[in-house]
Amino acid sequence: EIVLTQSPATLSLSPGERATLSCRASQSVSDYLAWYQQKPGQAPRLLIYDASNRATGIPARFSGSGSGTDFTLTISSLEPEDFAVYYCQQGSNWPPITFGQGTRLEIK
Amino acid sequence: QVPLVQSGAEVRKPGASVKVSCKVSGYTLTKLSVHWVRQAPGKGLEWMGGFDPEDHETIYAQKFQGRVTMSEDTSTDTAYMELSSLRSEDTAVYYCATALWPSGRFDPWGQGTLVTVSS
Repeated sequence: EIVLTQSPATLSLSPGERATLSCRASQSVSDYLAWYQQKPGQAPRLLIYDASNRATGIPARFSGSGSGTDFTLTISSLEPEDFAVYYCQQGSNWPPITFGQGTRLEIK
Repeated sequence: QVPLVQSGAEVRKPGASVKVSCKVSGYTLTKLSVHWVRQAPGKGLEWMGGFDPEDHETIYAQKFQGRVTMSEDTSTDTAYMELSSLRSEDTAVYYCATALWPSGRFDPWGQGTLVTVSS
């Protein structure tokens, strides 16, 4: 099973600041890594797929990078609506499909 | 995107079963790879299983094998997830989602169904 470890667990920033979230895989997932945003009471929403491709309708301030075992989600300038929980997920080597434990992005 | 609409909240007693539905709109279920993910209150996302289009079979997470059954009704384009022998730890929001390959990303997701297990 591929374990995904996200860091930090919680990130406290202010609107306008840059956010950098990390996801590390226990073994290579090539570039088959996705990022999701989840707000309270809502289903997760796909942000980034294949490590660096923005999903349909996702603003350009969201970007993804990395390959192999180390990945990063960057939000260039935080908007108020960006404060949420973010998950990474791999489907490269399954079963099982696995998720990271999440990073909570909160307003400072 | 393919809208996925799930059935409503359920309450069950320990030991009972629950069956959650996920209706696909505007697309044919046979062309999709539907998976199920759950989220316990305040916790992260947990994959339960889904359809493998390469081997044309449903794959279950080891944790749920023997207790979960995923099925489809192609006449109504509806997918189902049935979980049996419920316990309090199964209280969670259950999501269906379409998996896109080869990366296995999930997009879109259903709105979620809260299943509460309580005596």
